[in-house]
Amino acid sequence: EPEVTQTPSHQVTQMGQEVILRCVPISNHLYFYWYRQILGQKVEFLVSFYNNEISEKSEIFDDQFSVERPDGSNFTLKIRSTKLEDSAMYFCASGGREDGYTFGSGTRLTVV
Amino acid sequence: QKEVEQDPGPLSVPEGAIVSLNCTYSNSAFQYFMWYRQYSRKGPELLMYTYSSGNKEDGRFTAQVDKSSKYISLFIRDSQPSDSATYLCAMKSGQAGTALIFGKGTTLSVSS
Repeated sequence: EPEVTQTPSHQVTQMGQEVILRCVPISNHLYFYWYRQILGQKVEFLVSFYNNEISEKSEIFDDQFSVERPDGSNFTLKIRSTKLEDSAMYFCASGGREDGYTFGSGTRLTVV
Repeated sequence: QKEVEQDPGPLSVPEGAIVSLNCTYSNSAFQYFMWYRQYSRKGPELLMYTYSSGNKEDGRFTAQVDKSSKYISLFIRDSQPSDSATYLCAMKSGQAGTALIFGKGTTLSVSS
């Protein structure tokens, strides 16, 4: 069964450093998403991406965040200057036009 | 008022029991409703996807949507220990590219 692949599974970074989280969505999907889940809290929407541009973003997705699809297979989330409160599980998801979204296993980001 | 409310549990049942999981929501624009299963430190796994009101059955799982009451349910028949996980409801107002809004999740434990 097709799956969304995320790397790395765990990333530790120092406060103020830039991190890039990587995702390989399902190949025939057109819509791509990033979500995050702070420990013990809800899964929260960050951004959706379609046709090489952001289609929707949440209040969380401020200027410190950016997304990119650098080639035909990868989808990345960059956090420019990490803060302690950015520590969370980050999930990439992809979907077609009329179905639910398929999530990856996540990257656990720890900012120290 | 929170957009999506879900009783966090925990909910403990014996093997073979029928489980009922529920969510309420406040945004009448929600049209698409999903149930995800999440194991510890893993990504959400799509179980059920429904559009508008009505019932949908898939094996031991039945999803119900009552838009007039802004209430959705997931029923699990003949529950198994492998069903032990956190169950997340999620919903959105539009089709592809729209943000999924999640409930906090209900933790279910099925004992053998």
